[in-house]
Amino acid sequence: QVQLQESGPGLVKPSETLSLTCSVSGGSISSSYWSWIRQPAGKGLEWIGRIYSTGNTNYNSSLKSRVNMSLDTSKNQFSLSLSSVTAADTAVYYCARESGYCSRTSCYPRGYLDVWGKGTTVTVSS
Amino acid sequence: SYVLTQAPPVSVAPGQTARITCGGNNIGSESVHWYQQRPGQAPVLVMYDDGDRPSGIPERFSGSKSGNTATLTISRVEPGDEADYYCQVWDVLSDHKIFGGGTKLSVL
Repeated sequence: QVQLQESGPGLVKPSETLSLTCSVSGGSISSSYWSWIRQPAGKGLEWIGRIYSTGNTNYNSSLKSRVNMSLDTSKNQFSLSLSSVTAADTAVYYCARESGYCSRTSCYPRGYLDVWGKGTTVTVSS
Repeated sequence: SYVLTQAPPVSVAPGQTARITCGGNNIGSESVHWYQQRPGQAPVLVMYDDGDRPSGIPERFSGSKSGNTATLTISRVEPGDEADYYCQVWDVLSDHKIFGGGTKLSVL
């Protein structure tokens, strides 16, 4: 059973870069789509973006200029970087797997997130 | 961008039926997915592709769509069902995942 675990600093200073890693266990990071989602305290869920195991990415247009995602297949991990953070970026950050199906040659996303990490709280403050 | 609108909080007594709605323009052409988020916990997928239940989700949970509204129905509500529920679609045009604002279900 695939499990996800977020890790990274819980406190980031304004204008600096937030960096988080999601470790995947119980399965391979290959041939799947991986997303980051965040949730400010008391508010709803916001999708940040997605990375495919080939390295192809797709980011929320509202964050696109500040977001970068990458993956390390040797470590079975993928990562999120969010630059120039402000207090508005304070939130619980979740990593998640997007369900997909694979043909002989390619894998395709199914649009929903079937495995989530427990989340990590990031506070932006000086 | 695509917007999903969820109804105000819902309160039901144990054993009753809760209906949580999600509205969106032309939602009939979208696949709608639902997540349950208990306080202090990560979201859990409880319904996908409008009306399919992941393994481990009780049959009390069902999903449907009619017109511009998708509905998550929870029959024979239990205290453990108290949570926030979020609908979600994949907006193919923008290739973005869109979440509704969430609906809080309280079990009286």
